[in-house]
Amino acid sequence: ETGVTQTPRHLVMGMTNKKSLKCEQHLGHNAMYWYKQSAKKPLELMFVYSLEERVENNSVPSRFSPECPNSSHLFLHLHTLQPEDSALYLCASSQAGLAGGVNNEQFFGPGTRLTVL
Amino acid sequence: AQSVTQLDSHVSVSEGTPVLLRCNYSSSYSPSLFWYVQHPNKGLQLLLKYTSAATLVKGINGFEAEFKKSETSFHLTKPSAHMSDAAEYFCVVSGGRSYIPTFGRGTSLIVHP
Repeated sequence: ETGVTQTPRHLVMGMTNKKSLKCEQHLGHNAMYWYKQSAKKPLELMFVYSLEERVENNSVPSRFSPECPNSSHLFLHLHTLQPEDSALYLCASSQAGLAGGVNNEQFFGPGTRLTVL
Repeated sequence: AQSVTQLDSHVSVSEGTPVLLRCNYSSSYSPSLFWYVQHPNKGLQLLLKYTSAATLVKGINGFEAEFKKSETSFHLTKPSAHMSDAAEYFCVVSGGRSYIPTFGRGTSLIVHP
């Protein structure tokens, strides 16, 4: 399989459930990202893992927990979510420069459509 | 620091007419600039990118963009719109040592028959 894959593609969960989103990239990249895309709102960066460094958006609630066990896999663990967390969650990867920075394009997965009841 | 402004939230054109989607940026570094397209319920796909080579960049599906440093602009154009071009378009700037690209708010392109 090539590119960036995400599973599941659709997820419906209750507010008390715990679930995880998975992302896998087959491009040999060294940076991976989680974005949240809500209707009529700008694309929101949630977390970045690059060259073993983690960068996070401080406005992301603690009910979202990322995990990056290696450069090819990225998870987003979800627990006690709220209805306003319903959105399309996009994963992306890119190649970061050895001196830092990302001047190469990002490759996006198809997203997981999450609905919280 | 960097930022990007997409000047139009919606652009409506007729099929066969030119498309212009406007993007202005600011960056403390020599920027890399990108345009992505997103069709409904899909991920984002790269249309084209500028990384300090030729200022006129050609992308997929007949799109192109011109980097104008003096105007800090990177507008996206296409000579003739097709119905399949209807989608959301994002302008993105990155540069320096940051791992975090900055996305514009998006422009929705509507194509009328």
